[in-house]
Amino acid sequence: DQQVKQNSPSLSVQEGRISILNCDYTNSMFDYFLWYKKYPAEGPTFLISISSIKDKNEDGRFTVFLNKSAKHLSLHIVPSQPGDSAVYFCAAAPNTGNQFYFGTGTSLTVIP
Amino acid sequence: EAQVTQNPRYLITVTGKKLTVTCSQNMNHEYMSWYRQDPGLGLRQIYYSMNVEVTDKGDVPEGYKVSRKEKRNFPLILESPSPNQTSLYFCASSWGVGGEQYFGPGTRLTVT
Repeated sequence: DQQVKQNSPSLSVQEGRISILNCDYTNSMFDYFLWYKKYPAEGPTFLISISSIKDKNEDGRFTVFLNKSAKHLSLHIVPSQPGDSAVYFCAAAPNTGNQFYFGTGTSLTVIP
Repeated sequence: EAQVTQNPRYLITVTGKKLTVTCSQNMNHEYMSWYRQDPGLGLRQIYYSMNVEVTDKGDVPEGYKVSRKEKRNFPLILESPSPNQTSLYFCASSWGVGGEQYFGPGTRLTVT
């Protein structure tokens, strides 16, 4: 049973606009939440993370929001750039931090 | 250069023929992990290791073995591969629990 879900397999956005990628989870014991970006033929690379004690974390154009009551996570990319086109995975881990659960990924296409 | 390396990158084998996929990291990371990526299922954790001689099962450990005799190496062993183990495999490492993981480039395995 998928504990972390990304319900949108794909998303297309115009360059310069905001991209919003969503992620839902079922396990209330998750404490660590991370976003990874993956290009074809490469391994995932870390993008941004947030712990359960926060509801927002920013890093440049990337912001992650956490709504614990809704068990919902989102990644905002502003402004979107063509180089952001990739598959984005959200991941979660419980407070032991050793077992990670990944979503199925959302393929983002930023149109120039 | 800080990196996680995996070998081989591509492997085609037959059912029942034992194989090992090697993983090595040069960042002195304590934590290492193996994942498989399958269409529609995202990344699923196979095994992880918190330190030398300490390994534990992830979400999908059946049919796999691991060992952690040295800090830098974490090989994945398939004693008797079967076609349902055809997948894209990633090794990852991180400083500690809950943190960002550095992924290798992936190993595409086909079992016929």
